[in-house]
Amino acid sequence: LAKTTQPISMDSYEGQEVNITCSHNNIATNDYITWYQQFPSQGPRFIIQGYKTKVTNEVASLFIPADRKSSTLSLPRVSLSDTAVYYCLVGAGSTLGRLYFGRGTQLTVWP
Amino acid sequence: DTGVSQNPRHKITKRGQNVTFRCDPISEHNRLYWYRQTLGQGPEFLTYFQNEAQLEKSRLLSDRFSAERPKGSFSTLEIQRTEQGDSAMYLCASSLGGQGDYEQYFGPGTRLTVT
Repeated sequence: LAKTTQPISMDSYEGQEVNITCSHNNIATNDYITWYQQFPSQGPRFIIQGYKTKVTNEVASLFIPADRKSSTLSLPRVSLSDTAVYYCLVGAGSTLGRLYFGRGTQLTVWP
Repeated sequence: DTGVSQNPRHKITKRGQNVTFRCDPISEHNRLYWYRQTLGQGPEFLTYFQNEAQLEKSRLLSDRFSAERPKGSFSTLEIQRTEQGDSAMYLCASSLGGQGDYEQYFGPGTRLTVT
């Protein structure tokens, strides 16, 4: 499984765009990149998944460069309620769905 | 509410006692997972079921831990002879399965405190 590296913490203010970058230098050809969000005392919640280029949904965008050795989760116009831990995961279907979380990035949004 | 539910939400027990947690997955999901999370860390995979079959167990799951999923519906996780190191949040997740299968739906967790 590809190891991921992401910042331990980030701070932002309400209304700003936040970009969290994850490094995964050893990503394999059949690996997907997935991001989860976790609020205190709750289980993680799936945000977005991608393989290459750009993926966008109602919550976030995921940018993946051509070499796929990194990815960036973009949260537009964050609010206080976006304060959470964000996890970057990399893996393939051959792992049969078991997820490997790192320590994640603690995003704190200030008023 | 048709999400994943877990009971109890909190459990305080004395060292050496046995505890059992229950997870009710989303009804049409055939895969069910257990994770453990300690403070400041991400969740760690423990085991998972495809319907009623337990297909994989992490080496984190010592002999004191046992999980079941009778009839492929709800699941239980039992910890025997609890130790203080077992104190953690125990999370259950379910999914439809299939290729990739990274969109897992997590329950609120059971927080275990061993005194």
